[in-house]
Amino acid sequence: KAGVTQTPRYLIKTRGQQVTLSCSPISGHRSVSWYQQTPGQGLQFLFEYFSETQRNKGNFPGRFSGRQFSNSRSEMNVSTLELGDSALYLCASSSGDHTSYNEQFFGPGTRLTVL
Amino acid sequence: QKEVEQDPGPLSVPEGAIVSLNCTYSNSAFQYFMWYRQYSRKGPELLMYTYSSGNKEDGRFTAQVDKSSKYISLFIRDSQPSDSATYLCAMSSTNAGKSTFGDGTTLTVKP
Repeated sequence: KAGVTQTPRYLIKTRGQQVTLSCSPISGHRSVSWYQQTPGQGLQFLFEYFSETQRNKGNFPGRFSGRQFSNSRSEMNVSTLELGDSALYLCASSSGDHTSYNEQFFGPGTRLTVL
Repeated sequence: QKEVEQDPGPLSVPEGAIVSLNCTYSNSAFQYFMWYRQYSRKGPELLMYTYSSGNKEDGRFTAQVDKSSKYISLFIRDSQPSDSATYLCAMSSTNAGKSTFGDGTTLTVKP
């Protein structure tokens, strides 16, 4: 079974630009969560999508948005990039089934550098 | 103050040592308690999870949760150089895709 894939793996942008990151979950998984990881703040939850609907949202500004497609693939978008947005962006997929523990499987992340 | 505080480390131990990793938390609603391991340039991978209070053992790893003290621990017995990684505690109030993570403890096991 293929794992969670994220594209691109590395990205360099300049302040003010926007960026779109992509995540393909494990086949059959319907939940996709996004996290931001930085040395100063650690791993912080951005949002979760389940069956194309945002189910949970973290405390990030509106510049951070996401969506999920009918095949469960997800994208996140960051508009008007700031230097502080430089981070490793991790995507995690899970079955979304509430009848048993939902293990989250993480992708390798997209390393975003904002210059 | 963060909802989850993790002993920062870094931690350096000789091969074969017992390692203790710890986190405290403030949110009483947390019911799921997880430990992840993250190698450099990789995403976190789940080591163990515990629902509510109690102990759970898996091979050389033991997870403990004390909800009354809001304190969780991960013990690694007979530590190996391959255990060298960053360990992250994480917690969730529901069985959905939202977890709150500690900042991580970097462990180095020296041969």
